[in-house]
Amino acid sequence: NAGVTQTPKFRVLKTGQSMTLLCAQDMNHEYMYWYRQDPGMGLRLIHYSVGEGTTAKGEVPDGYNVSRLKKQNFLLGLESAAPSQTSVYFCASSSGGAGGMYNEQFFGPGTRLTVL
Amino acid sequence: AQSVTQPDIHITVSEGASLELRCNYSYGATPYLFWYVQSPGQGLQLLLKYFSGDTLVQGIKGFEAEFKRSQSSFNLRKPSVHWSDAAEYFCAVGARTGANNLFFGTGTRLTVIP
Repeated sequence: NAGVTQTPKFRVLKTGQSMTLLCAQDMNHEYMYWYRQDPGMGLRLIHYSVGEGTTAKGEVPDGYNVSRLKKQNFLLGLESAAPSQTSVYFCASSSGGAGGMYNEQFFGPGTRLTVL
Repeated sequence: AQSVTQPDIHITVSEGASLELRCNYSYGATPYLFWYVQSPGQGLQLLLKYFSGDTLVQGIKGFEAEFKRSQSSFNLRKPSVHWSDAAEYFCAVGARTGANNLFFGTGTRLTVIP
């Protein structure tokens, strides 16, 4: 059981470049999330998904797009990267049901992205 | 909107000493409350959560937290700290109604000295 995996672990982009972060989970979880973590701040929710084919905006969605074509995968896209998007990105997943987003979230190891 | 405050950015304790990490929240009603831990270079792991009922919640790794409605607090405690507890600890709150979102505090970094 790998849990939640993220690809890549590190990436350096130039301003204006695009990229996609991949998150995969093998726990058959309904819910998946993308967060960003910045120094001196808590994690902030970018986008989330409550099931295959669905996505929703979180607290800081601007500049990002997501897709959930398969239940086990959740992709985060940056169409035109900006230095303000330099951050550590975490993917997480949780089971559905009564607790929804407030069920235990299982986190991946993170992707460190630098935008020059 | 709800918010979370963790007043201590960094705490240092000796191994074997007791620990209390503070968390205060702002919300119109009782929120869902969580503590997560992040070891260096890793993702977050849930330590414990409070939804309702007994205000003293037991978690993994010997941690506990107490919800105090009158103080809007949800402090994390451990009676005897181990060197492996060195990590960053995040308190989080979630609203019982309205938009679903977990709001995380800024974290408290714990250093354990031998």
